[in-house]
Parts: sequence; C-alpha cells; structure tokens
Amino acid sequence: KNEVEQSPQNLTAQEGEFITINCSYSVGISALHWLQQHPGGGIVSLFMLSSGKKKHGRLIATINIQEKHSSLHITASHPRDSAVYICAVVRNTGNQFYFGTGTSLTVIP
Amino acid sequence: NAGVTQTPKFQVLKTGQSMTLQCAQDMNHEYMSWYRQDPGMGLRLIHYSVGAGITDQGEVPNGYNVSRSTTEDFPLRLLSAAPSQTSVYFCASSRDIPGFGTQYFGPGTRLLVL
Repeated sequence: KNEVEQSPQNLTAQEGEFITINCSYSVGISALHWLQQHPGGGIVSLFMLSSGKKKHGRLIATINIQEKHSSLHITASHPRDSAVYICAVVRNTGNQFYFGTGTSLTVIP
Repeated sequence: NAGVTQTPKFQVLKTGQSMTLQCAQDMNHEYMSWYRQDPGMGLRLIHYSVGAGITDQGEVPNGYNVSRSTTEDFPLRLLSAAPSQTSVYFCASSRDIPGFGTQYFGPGTRLLVL
C-alpha cells in the first residue's frame, strides 16, 4: 500500500470552478510538498507545509497533521492550471520524499 | 542561473549497455537526488547525496550507481541496462534536506531500453 494516497486520480473542471485535490498519508512526517508537473514533463514546487495553511495567488494549501491529510485548492481555475499535481511527504525518520501518484487536472475553457 | 540541468533529454539503449545520465546545478545546493517516474506510480527515489563525497541509497537503488565529487554534479550510472529501467529520470536539488526546503527539478531524461 502506498504511504501517500491522492484523490481524485483524474479531474475535469470548467474554467472558473473551485478545485480541491486531496492527499492522505499514513506515516509521521516532517513536511509535505505539493508539486505541479506540466504537460511537457517539467516539475515545479508549489508549496512546502509543516502546519496550517499557505496561499500563493489562486492556490491554497492546507494541512491537518492530526488527520494526516492535506488539500490543494485552486480558486477561479483556468486552462493554464491543467497539469498533474503531486503530493509528496518527508518522513520524520529520514531525508527522503515519498510521492503520491498524482492528480491529473484538465480545465476546459 | 541555469538551475538544474540534465543531459541527455532522450536516450535509447540496448539491454546490457551502460551509460551515464548527467545532472548539474549552479545554485550551490548541498542536497541532490535522482528519481524515476513510471506510469501509474509516483516518483521513486533512486539515490541521494547530502554533500560532496556523501551518497546514500533511496527506495530503488539496484542497477544504479552514483558519485558526488563536486557540489555541482551528481551523475547517475546504469552499469548494465535492463528493459525494467525504461523510465523518465529526474534529478533534483535543494539547499536543505527535503523537509526544510524547496526542491528544484531538472527537465528529465527519457530512457528507453530495448
């Protein structure tokens, strides 16, 4: 069983919709990262969280350490948000990332 | 800054051949790592380094070797390629260990082993 589970696996939204992507993990962590992988393959770091909430533009990331759960929200979605969003955790017993399989988002104009 | 660079972008190998995937960063980052990405699976850590001269194994190290003679470079060597090593390989670097800093990824190398 993967230590990091994301849902949904695939998501299609109309432009302007509010989007939520979920990440659950089963191990103790020191941090959680959200990454974006563009259709061309490049990977960009969006957020690093160890508690609470962070906001950058139309993107909001939250984490609940007790529930072992994080969410990534996109407000007023746009076709350029179409990408794969990946959740990754760093276990509190080492220096390594463990990744979810990603959520593929398509935003239709 | 060029960030994290990887060469080649694409490579085809025959089973049993060896090759080196190059990774370089110009941000003076101590932490560097190699991942492979396969369909339906998350990125998986192959090897990582916390500084020049220091390397360690990740989740899937078999069939791969690394060395870190300088801060800038972290090559990944396939000693005898197998079809199971067909994958997309990403190199990443960060100033701090993953729990404490932003990761910067290279553009990836797509490897096909026949």
